[in-house]
Amino acid sequence: NAGVTQTPKFRILKIGQSMTLQCTQDMNHNYMYWYRQDPGMGLKLIYYSVGAGITDKGEVPNGYNVSRSTTEDFPLRLELAAPSQTSVYFCASKISGTGLSEQYFGPGTRLTVT
Amino acid sequence: DQQVKQNSPSLSVQEGRISILNCDYTNSMFDYFLWYKKYPAEGPTFLISISSIKDKNEDGRFTVFLNKSAKHLSLHIVPSQPGDSAVYFCAAKGGVGETSGSRLTFGEGTQLTVNP
Repeated sequence: NAGVTQTPKFRILKIGQSMTLQCTQDMNHNYMYWYRQDPGMGLKLIYYSVGAGITDKGEVPNGYNVSRSTTEDFPLRLELAAPSQTSVYFCASKISGTGLSEQYFGPGTRLTVT
Repeated sequence: DQQVKQNSPSLSVQEGRISILNCDYTNSMFDYFLWYKKYPAEGPTFLISISSIKDKNEDGRFTVFLNKSAKHLSLHIVPSQPGDSAVYFCAAKGGVGETSGSRLTFGEGTQLTVNP
């Protein structure tokens, strides 16, 4: 079991460029999440998904897009990168239902936009 | 609107002593609370949780206490070990408007340093 994997680990983007952050989990979890963490701040929810074909906005969705075509994959798309999107991005997943609320996190992608 | 707050950015304790990390929340609809630990260059890992119907949960050296009337929870680590040095995040589930997805709201984190 690899758990939650994220690629790339690091990336530097120029302003206006686009990229996709990849996230895959092999635990057959229905729920998946994308967070960003800025220095000295907690994790802010960008988007989440409760199953294939279903996505919804979190606290800070502006400038991002997501899709969920399979249970395993939940890519995060940045269309026009801005310096404000410099952050560490974490993907997470959990088993469906509200009884067990523990989310499993990937190792993160550190993104710098200059 | 910071619904979950950890007011201490850092905490330093001696090995073998108790570490107490604190967390306050404002939303009385939160029904589940979790603590995560994060090492540098890694993702957060789940540590311990507590339901709002309980006031204490214990797992080895880690105990979480919940005071609902004060909207306050704390994580006790006894005895503290150098390997416990990490950032600790408090998180809460539920709340007004949270209708699906088991979304979590995180605090800012507290950097714990345990000195040998």
